[in-house]
Amino acid sequence: GQNIDQPTEMTATEGAIVQINCTYQTSGFNGLFWYQQHAGEAPTFLSYNVLDGLEEKGRFSSFLSRSKGYSYLLLKELQMKDSASYLCAVRDRGGGNKLTFGTGTQLKVEL
Amino acid sequence: EPEVTQTPSHQVTQMGQEVILRCVPISNHLYFYWYRQILGQKVEFLVSFYNNEISEKSEIFDDQFSVERPDGSNFTLKIRSTKLEDSAMYFCASSDWGNTEAFFGQGTRLTVV
Repeated sequence: GQNIDQPTEMTATEGAIVQINCTYQTSGFNGLFWYQQHAGEAPTFLSYNVLDGLEEKGRFSSFLSRSKGYSYLLLKELQMKDSASYLCAVRDRGGGNKLTFGTGTQLKVEL
Repeated sequence: EPEVTQTPSHQVTQMGQEVILRCVPISNHLYFYWYRQILGQKVEFLVSFYNNEISEKSEIFDDQFSVERPDGSNFTLKIRSTKLEDSAMYFCASSDWGNTEAFFGQGTRLTVV
């Protein structure tokens, strides 16, 4: 099975940098995904890591350490529109490619 | 930009009734999924579908649920005899390969009264 932990809430200032951590335990790891979800809307794909290291995509970067069962999402130059829930999800090696989601980190960006 | 579309956006049904939630995945995608999210809770996997058959299902996906790809474009989730606890947002998703990201539709909010 999967167990995914991430902080429930975070607050940051517009223009700043914020790091959202995610730890996981899994019986068979096959990739870690980050999604953004605004209230009442669908999850939107942000980033994907399957190998150790940093993946950069504009203002968003994601890091993975498989040996530590650890990932983080880094958001730079925060904007008010970045206020949302950020979901960490792990894909396992089962044939169905299912994603197991964490409970999400609600990020509030303030002036 | 291609997107996953779901209908209806909101459905209200009486307990015990059957509902069918509809999805049109992105056209060249091969893997299809249903997830649900109860209000205030995390997104939960229900089922994945590939090559016209279920490839994996969760313990939530019991005999009350079924999926179908009736034609080349639609993918449906049927819930028989709905219960109050089935009230949730239901998301359809698709991916072109199993190893790539899944794209989510906007969801159907199901309310069972």
